[in-house]
Formats: sequence, structure tokens, C-alpha cells
Amino acid sequence: DAGVIQSPRHEVTEMGQEVTLRCKPISGHNSLFWYRQTMMRGLELLIYFNNNVPIDDSGMPEDRFSAKMPNASFSTLKIQPSEPRDSAVYFCASSPDRGQRGTEAFFGQGTRLTVV
Amino acid sequence: AQSVTQLDSQVPVFEEAPVELRCNYSSSVSVYLFWYVQYPNQGLQLLLKYLSGSTLVESINGFEAEFNKSQTSFHLRKPSVHISDTAEYFCAVIPSSGGSYIPTFGRGTSLIVHP
Repeated sequence: DAGVIQSPRHEVTEMGQEVTLRCKPISGHNSLFWYRQTMMRGLELLIYFNNNVPIDDSGMPEDRFSAKMPNASFSTLKIQPSEPRDSAVYFCASSPDRGQRGTEAFFGQGTRLTVV
Repeated sequence: AQSVTQLDSQVPVFEEAPVELRCNYSSSVSVYLFWYVQYPNQGLQLLLKYLSGSTLVESINGFEAEFNKSQTSFHLRKPSVHISDTAEYFCAVIPSSGGSYIPTFGRGTSLIVHP
């Protein structure tokens, strides 16, 4: 398997624009996580899906952020409108069904977002 | 709920010296413990994990970690570091049953190995 695939790797956008980050989890993994990493706040969980259903979105900063998982092989994280404080590295991670808790989460390479 | 504390945000060390990265956790239930490593401009990848059995676990590149239940710790050690070990290291926990399946991560420790 190619691992968790995220696109784009880098995104530079102007304040106010819509940004969409994409993630393809590892085939067969039922759990998907979106994280945001910044120097100030470290690694923050934004949202957790299980079997394509959002289970915990308490980490989503505000209404400007939304995430979807229309099927088992694809998820998006959208920011609309984007702001400079959204600049961060966004990671997607997937893991087998929560019944296999001893298995680690597998992370993508991340999307480095810069909002100017 | 669980929490993970990595007391050291940055650990500078000279090449071939030993190193210990500290991790303490808090949880009302039993947990599985993980150490992840993040090299520059990459995602996190598993370094080692403790599920059960021997409290000392090892990675393929010379790191080891010991689970201490009484001290709720899972410190990471390496007897002799290399320049290539320079990276960010994250400790994480997951409840071994019940509760949330979501991994809880520490803030990370930046290991800087100097020649």
C-alpha cells in the first residue's frame, strides 16, 4: 500500500479564499483523523471519522472549517474563508477499526498551508 | 480522559552521547503507549509501542522505552545517538478498552544531535 496520501503538499493562498485539503486513507482502515500542527499549539486533533461518520469534531476551530468523508477512500478538509492564523501543517492519519487499538495511526506527509 | 506530558520541549545532545526523552501520562483506564518520530517535512511514523508483556520495548534503530505503571511513565532512551536521530518525538496513548479510540499526543520533544 502507498500509505496515507495527502494533496496538495503545499498550498499558498490569499486571505478570504477557500482552501480544500484532500486525503486518501490506507485501504481497509476504518478510522480517519485530521490533525493540525503549529509551533504554538503542537499537534491538535480537528476531527475523527469512523466508518465515514464524524464521531468527534470538537477540535474543529470554528464554522469556517468543515470536513467530509463521502466514502471509505476519500476525505476533505475545507476552510472557507481562510485566514492567516490558519497557516499550519495539516495531517491526515488513518487506522484500522477501533477494535484493533494496539495498531498505530498511519500519517500522511502533511499539507503545509500558508495564508497570506 | 487521558493526557500526555512531555516535559522537555527541546533536548540538545552531542553525537554518540546517551539521551532520554521523558513522557508521563494520566489516565483513569489502562492504556497502550506509543512513541512516534517526525523527521523534517514529513509525517509522524511509529517508533515503538507498548501493548502488554515485557515493560521494555525496543525499536529497530536502537531506541528503547520502558513502561512504568507506578510512575505512569514511558521514557524513551538511546545509549548512543547519531546525527540522523535529529527529529521531533511524540509520545501518545490510547485506552486499551472502552472510552475514546482517539490517540492523545504529547506536545513533542525536539531532539537535536550536534556533531
